[in-house]
Amino acid sequence: GAVVSQHPSRVICKSGTSVKIECRSLDFQATTMFWYRQFPKQSLMLMATSNEGSKATYEQGVEKDKFLINHASLTLSTLTVTSAHPEDSSFYICSQGSPQVNNEQFFGPGTRLTVL
Amino acid sequence: SQQGEEDPQALSIQEGENATMNCSYKTSINNLQWYRQNSGRGLVHLILIRSNEREKHSGRLRVTLDTSKKSSSLLITASRAADTASYFCAGGSGGYNKLIFGAGTRLAVHP
Repeated sequence: GAVVSQHPSRVICKSGTSVKIECRSLDFQATTMFWYRQFPKQSLMLMATSNEGSKATYEQGVEKDKFLINHASLTLSTLTVTSAHPEDSSFYICSQGSPQVNNEQFFGPGTRLTVL
Repeated sequence: SQQGEEDPQALSIQEGENATMNCSYKTSINNLQWYRQNSGRGLVHLILIRSNEREKHSGRLRVTLDTSKKSSSLLITASRAADTASYFCAGGSGGYNKLIFGAGTRLAVHP
């Protein structure tokens, strides 16, 4: 199956700073990627759909100006958490969408963000 | 909320017993997938069942899907301590198979 990587795997930052998380599709061109957020002991919540060459589509309640998504190439999508606050501390996971409807989705290993 | 529901939220069993987890979803789907997650780790895909299928098996896993009730179940037979993890269902829809996850079940299998 496809391999998806994320970088960094873990980041600690001070409140007010911005953090960029990279999601790479290593062996497949991904025109669509998805970003999820997972708080401790909770499920994954879809944040946005990242579309190569166009604007991301955000789920209801997700601030597009706070969570900036850039999908400039077929193998890379980035999520930038701007002016991070402690409540943004979470596990952020990306996945590669498949154009074939009934294929499994391939997930990155996740990035744990801690905002002090 | 976009999420579906899963029950039970937590399940504690002995090795060798069967574990059954249920999931309900809210929207129309192309498929229903089950994932496993060990604490603090990434997701592992377990099984996918298409919307026109009613039951599917993979090793010790058995999944059912009832689209009229918008529900699915995952059965793990002859459980092992290594099965201890959180299990999530996710409904796939749309052209790129966007997934909406259920709340998850935390399974603990005791030796």
